Amino acid sequence: KQEVTQIPAALSVPEGENLVLNCSFTDSAIYNLQWFRQDPGKGLTSLLLIQSSQREQTSGRLNASLDKSSGRSTLYIAASQPGDSATYLCAVYQTGANNLFFGTGTRLTVIP
Amino acid sequence: SAVISQKPSRDICQRGTSLTIQCQVDSQVTMMFWYRQQPGQSLTLIATANQGSEATYESGFVIDKFPISRPNLTFSTLTVSNMSPEDSSIYLCSASDRGGIYEQYFGPGTRLTVT
Repeated sequence: KQEVTQIPAALSVPEGENLVLNCSFTDSAIYNLQWFRQDPGKGLTSLLLIQSSQREQTSGRLNASLDKSSGRSTLYIAASQPGDSATYLCAVYQTGANNLFFGTGTRLTVIP
Repeated sequence: SAVISQKPSRDICQRGTSLTIQCQVDSQVTMMFWYRQQPGQSLTLIATANQGSEATYESGFVIDKFPISRPNLTFSTLTVSNMSPEDSSIYLCSASDRGGIYEQYFGPGTRLTVT
């Protein structure tokens, strides 16, 4: 069964720093990988989707990379801001499974 | 992208009662899903809501406890039946339909507390 792990579980950085969140998955037979943001008690906001044939995607200050063969993805956040404080979740769409497998999340706090 | 709304946004219910959560998508979608997020945990898929047929449940979830309806391509409901405090969670609806890209969009969630 697909297992998705995110490291670190929590991260606290001062405003303005660049940071990297990590995601690893055990089964490389994936269709795509998505990064989400979740604010406390709220739903999920889709940030970036990377198809299995792609290496990276960018949106504003966010850049996500995918190395399918090694089962890894990273989310790079440039020039972090207090408004970036949230939990970040990665999820993989497993080939043939018809649903997303979610990681455990990284809780990010950006200190003003 | 699809915009998804859920009702209610939150509720406090008594043990033994049932609650029905509604999910509305602003466009027709092929696939709709229901997830549960227990306090401090990540998301767990409850079931895939199939239009015009019975939902497909994941291991550990049964129709008697979580009956699901999907009467058309934009609407679904999830009922949490005979509730206990262990059912206190956020319940999230999601939808996916991008011609094979399968990007998933999520509703704002329903925060359920069972006393």
